[in-house]
Amino acid sequence: KAGVTQTPRYLIKTRGQQVTLSCSPISGHRSVSWYQQTPGQGLQFLFEYFSETQRNKGNFPGRFSGRQFSNSRSEMNVSTLELGDSALYLCASSLSGARSYEQYFGPGTRLTVT
Amino acid sequence: DQQVKQNSPSLSVQEGRISILNCDYTNSMFDYFLWYKKYPAEGPTFLISISSIKDKNEDGRFTVFLNKSAKHLSLHIVPSQPGDSAVYFCAARSNFGNEKLTFGTGTRLTIIP
Repeated sequence: KAGVTQTPRYLIKTRGQQVTLSCSPISGHRSVSWYQQTPGQGLQFLFEYFSETQRNKGNFPGRFSGRQFSNSRSEMNVSTLELGDSALYLCASSLSGARSYEQYFGPGTRLTVT
Repeated sequence: DQQVKQNSPSLSVQEGRISILNCDYTNSMFDYFLWYKKYPAEGPTFLISISSIKDKNEDGRFTVFLNKSAKHLSLHIVPSQPGDSAVYFCAARSNFGNEKLTFGTGTRLTIIP
């Protein structure tokens, strides 16, 4: 079974631009969560989507948004990029609804804002 | 407000010895705990988990212990191998949080050959 895939793997943008990141979950997984990883901050939860609906949201500004499609694929968008948005963005999928709480992560998208 | 804390940013252990990674939490609503391992340029990989109704879970060389009264959990790796060198994240889930995981800041484990 294929794992979680994220595209692109690396991205360089300038301040003020916007960016869209994509995540394809493991087949059969209906929940997709997004995390931001920065040095010293660990993984910070952005939001979670289940059946095309945002089910949970972290403490990030409204510039960060996402959506999920009917095939469970998810996209994350960041508008008006700031230097502090440079980070590794990780997507994770899980079965949800089953008695399994493990999330499986993709390799991440490394975003650099200059 | 860091609800999950890993107070040791790094740890070095001799190959073959026991590695003990620690994690503390403050939120009493957490009911499920997980450990993830992360290599550079890769996403975290799920390692082992434990429900709050248990105090120990074992999987091969990996054992997780949970002390609910102290709000503390630990991951034991025995024996430690060079391939265990990675960053280890502790994570917790609230029973009201759906799929949201709250992560610690990680501990970099280095196994010395």
